[in-house]
Amino acid sequence: GQNIDQPTEMTATEGAIVQINCTYQTSGFNGLFWYQQHAGEAPTFLSYNVLDGLEEKGRFSSFLSRSKGYSYLLLKELQMKDSASYLCAVRDRGGSYIPTFGRGTSLIVHP
Amino acid sequence: EAGVTQFPSHSVIEKGQTVTLRCDPISGHDNLYWYRRVMGKEIKFLLHFVKESKQDESGMPNNRFLAERTGGTYSTLKVQPAELEDSGVYFCASSQDFLGTSGMSGDEQFFGPGTRLTVL
Repeated sequence: GQNIDQPTEMTATEGAIVQINCTYQTSGFNGLFWYQQHAGEAPTFLSYNVLDGLEEKGRFSSFLSRSKGYSYLLLKELQMKDSASYLCAVRDRGGSYIPTFGRGTSLIVHP
Repeated sequence: EAGVTQFPSHSVIEKGQTVTLRCDPISGHDNLYWYRRVMGKEIKFLLHFVKESKQDESGMPNNRFLAERTGGTYSTLKVQPAELEDSGVYFCASSQDFLGTSGMSGDEQFFGPGTRLTVL
């Protein structure tokens, strides 16, 4: 199985930049997802990385280093609405390609 | 386009009772997944349907849980009899393509808002 580790909670200021890290251990890596989940709502897809490097999508970027088992989600120009839980999920060829989720990082954005 | 919907949004039952959760995936999505999140822990996979067939049910905790997807449209997840440790949020997700076959984005899962189950 996979061991996925991400910080439990982070706080940041509106307008700032925050980086949420995710480390994982897997035998047959086949992709990493980031999801955003507001309280009481459905997780929503943010990004997908399968190759090393940075994927940019508006204010959000996701980075992957397969050799290090490491990814981060970068949020720029933070807004209050970005306060949410951010879930890292890893797909493993040995796990029927079903993603395994981390516990999520609760991000609190304050004025 | 309507997203994934789940019913009910909340359910409170007593230990030993039966509860049935329903999921309506996005129209045209052959793949349907059930997940569960117990308080304080990560979202865990329960099972995966491709159309009406169970592709992978390795995450189902025990035989008190029964999932069906007759006709390949909506799915139900029945817990009978419910135990205290079954409390949590049950998420359903659907995808157009099966994860892993393409290795590219576009086969991401779309999640429903979840059903919060409380067993007393």
